[in-house]
Amino acid sequence: QVHLQEAGPGQLRPSETLSLTCTIFGASVSDGGFYWTWIRQVPGKGLEWLGSLYHTGAASFNPSLKNRVGMFVGTSENQFSLELTSVSVEDSAVYYCARQFSVRYGWFGPWGQGALVTVSS
Amino acid sequence: DIALTQSPDTLSVSPGERATLSCRASETVDSDYLAWYQQKQGQAPRFIIFGASFRADDTPDRFSGSGSGTDFTLTISSVEPEDSAVYFCQQYGSSPVTFGQGTKLEI
Repeated sequence: QVHLQEAGPGQLRPSETLSLTCTIFGASVSDGGFYWTWIRQVPGKGLEWLGSLYHTGAASFNPSLKNRVGMFVGTSENQFSLELTSVSVEDSAVYYCARQFSVRYGWFGPWGQGALVTVSS
Repeated sequence: DIALTQSPDTLSVSPGERATLSCRASETVDSDYLAWYQQKQGQAPRFIIFGASFRADDTPDRFSGSGSGTDFTLTISSVEPEDSAVYFCQQYGSSPVTFGQGTKLEI
């Protein structure tokens, strides 16, 4: 059974860089037929897709993030990471990593339990 | 970006009743590439429907999805207490993928 777990700092100051790592259990980034993705949710609000990563290192990102986002395959095949530069209070959210089915732009499952990130001065 | 509008915002039903949740897209969802998710309090979302009408392996058959084009529906034929959750729709026919704002189902 596949499950995922996010890890990273819970608090940041404005202008800092957010770095999160997702560890995959029961699967590998190199598994065919899937992308690996990051999604965030402002508590009590909706969901926003941030970007997706293929095992080759190729990635696609939500244009709304205006070139602030990067995603990388980890040194081990069961990890991938997210970097978001120049954070502001508007980036405070729960950040989820998830497996993405590679049918067109794909649906997501399973998801990690989420990592709460708070940006505050 | 395709905007997804869900209605109602909150739906209150009694156990055994039928629940109907709506998701309307601002433009046609290509190939009916629409998924539904269930998010229980304090948990991550879990996908329950993909391709507008196909259940995930672990989705009970009281859940069904229907619709095409711009109008999609999630129906729970006979609601059970454990179905209390927020339900989101998501389109994956166009990039960027987008989500609806959610419908809260109260039992």
